[in-house]
Amino acid sequence: RKEVEQDPGPFNVPEGATVAFNCTYSNSASQSFFWYRQDCRKEPKLLMSVYSSGNEDGRFTAQLNRASQYISLLIRDSKLSDSATYLCVVSGATNKLIFGTGTLLAVQP
Amino acid sequence: NAGVTQTPKFQVLKTGQSMTLQCAQDMNHEYMSWYRQDPGMGLRLIHYSVGAGITDQGEVPNGYNVSRSTTEDFPLRLLSAAPSQTSVYFCASSYTAGPRDTQYFGPGTRLTVL
Repeated sequence: RKEVEQDPGPFNVPEGATVAFNCTYSNSASQSFFWYRQDCRKEPKLLMSVYSSGNEDGRFTAQLNRASQYISLLIRDSKLSDSATYLCVVSGATNKLIFGTGTLLAVQP
Repeated sequence: NAGVTQTPKFQVLKTGQSMTLQCAQDMNHEYMSWYRQDPGMGLRLIHYSVGAGITDQGEVPNGYNVSRSTTEDFPLRLLSAAPSQTSVYFCASSYTAGPRDTQYFGPGTRLTVL
């Protein structure tokens, strides 16, 4: 079993739609959780950290469920510019970051 | 600030050749690391450094060497390139080695080994 698992997609959604991604992780001792965004042929960039109580940044909402060991990202009112791959990232056993394979989002006009 | 810079952007090597991928950051970050990204796999940690003079192995270190003589630079050396090393390589840095610190990535080097 992979340490961090994501649905690779693609998720094809129309502009204005709400879309949600889930990610599961295997190490119950993980302490840090993030969503990174990676545009095609570009480097990953931090989108947002994920906190235990859940957190929101504009149209983006991240949730953490420690009991079930999953993280979610909700994007409301999707824009064309949201098209990218979203990487779920979790701190591993030695505090090193473990990256998921990413979920591809394509927002259609 | 230029952030994290990497050179070259693209490279084609023949099997058995050696080369060095350059990485530099101007943010005075202590922690630097190298990842490779392959299709269908997440970024995998090759080597990392928590400060000048200190390096350690990550998840997939075989075939690669690193050194950290200055805070700014963290080159990755391929000793004898193999087709399995065809990948996109990202260098990253953060203020400390703490897992909560934001990782800043360079633009990547796309390496093909024939």
